[in-house]
Amino acid sequence: EVQLLESGGGLVQPGGSLRLSCAASGFTFSSYAMSWVRQAPGKGLEWVSGISGSGGSTYYADSVKGRFTISRDKSKNTLFLQMNSLRVEDTAVYYCAKGSMNTVNSYQYYMDVWGRGTTVTVSS
Amino acid sequence: IQMTQSPSSLSASVGDSVTITCRASQSISSYLNWYQHKLGEAPKLLIYTASNLQSGVPSRFGGSGSGTDFTLTISSLQPEDFATYYCQQSYFTPYTFGQGTKLEIK
Repeated sequence: EVQLLESGGGLVQPGGSLRLSCAASGFTFSSYAMSWVRQAPGKGLEWVSGISGSGGSTYYADSVKGRFTISRDKSKNTLFLQMNSLRVEDTAVYYCAKGSMNTVNSYQYYMDVWGRGTTVTVSS
Repeated sequence: IQMTQSPSSLSASVGDSVTITCRASQSISSYLNWYQHKLGEAPKLLIYTASNLQSGVPSRFGGSGSGTDFTLTISSLQPEDFATYYCQQSYFTPYTFGQGTKLEIK
């Protein structure tokens, strides 16, 4: 069974940093692209970032470009999201999601398995 | 690409059929996916590439459309179908979602 388990969320002050992790199991991790998607309180889903199966290609939403960095560790079957210069508007539940293929930037890309999320709160 | 769903909320009864619409700000061919999300749970893929039913999803869910206009139809609503539904374009990054349609029990 494919499973994704996010961790690393918490309370952080504006301007601070946080690193999210997503432990993957039940599939060949390096064969699939992965994404982070977030949901701010009372809002809808927002795609944040994606990374190819090899880790060689990364993509970001304009709202986080230059502040967030997505990465993956094949040996640990783990996806990461390093979040720097955090803002109040980054407050959200962050979900990791498995992609349907090895590349993010493909018409056929969709997110077929999701984790239950980890909560990030940015507040002073 | 902006994605606009309608309605934003919808009330229906068990056994009803409902249709949710998603419109893209430009043509996205058939590269449109639908997800179901219940509070506190992981979102769930329902339909990919406009009309393909994800494995394990009941056949009462159906998707159609191409270009800029898409629909998600749920026939014979079941109690477990009351949730929020999102469309998402995969035409190019950054991928974008609609604002969501909350389906509530009447």
